[in-house]
Amino acid sequence: GQSLEQPSEVTAVEGAIVQINCTYQTSGFYGLSWYQQHDGGAPTFLSYNGLDGLEETGRFSSFLSRSDSYGYLLLQELQMKDSASYFCAVNGFQKLVFGTGTRLLVSP
Amino acid sequence: EAQVTQNPRYLITVTGKKLTVTCSQNMNHEYMSWYRQDPGLGLRQIYYSMNVEVTDKGDVPEGYKVSRKEKRNFPLILESPSPNQTSLYFCASSRAWADTDTQYFGPGTRLTVL
Repeated sequence: GQSLEQPSEVTAVEGAIVQINCTYQTSGFYGLSWYQQHDGGAPTFLSYNGLDGLEETGRFSSFLSRSDSYGYLLLQELQMKDSASYFCAVNGFQKLVFGTGTRLLVSP
Repeated sequence: EAQVTQNPRYLITVTGKKLTVTCSQNMNHEYMSWYRQDPGLGLRQIYYSMNVEVTDKGDVPEGYKVSRKEKRNFPLILESPSPNQTSLYFCASSRAWADTDTQYFGPGTRLTVL
């Protein structure tokens, strides 16, 4: 089976940098994805790591270490609109398994 | 506009009354999936389909049925809904099963079973 752990909540101020960690245990692994979900909205894709290392997309970066079964999402220059829930998800065989999500609260 | 649509967006029903939630995508995606989202539990996969006439169970399939007769549509059927199926449901699609990295989600259907 698969299980993922991520913090339930993280708080930060505008302009800061925040890192959301994700550890996983899985029987099948192709990569790690990150999704953002605003209250009342649908999840939207942010980033994907199929190989070890850092992927950068604008203010967001994601990192994967397969040997450590660990990844993180890094959000830089935080803005109020970044307040949302962030989910890591393991890309397994034919399916995506989500973590329980991290609620990010950005304050002025 | 490329999108995944779901209907209805909100539904209140009673125990045992069969219902169907429709899902349609206009991106010619092969892979489609249904998830339910409950507080503290994240998104859990109910069923998925790799292509027309090919469906398989996800992690929480009990009480649900699906069909994939056409590539664009993937309805979720609750034959006899129960209160524990009260949840927020999302349909999602991606280009192919190997591209589960980028799933496009519908707007969600909030279901309440009384």
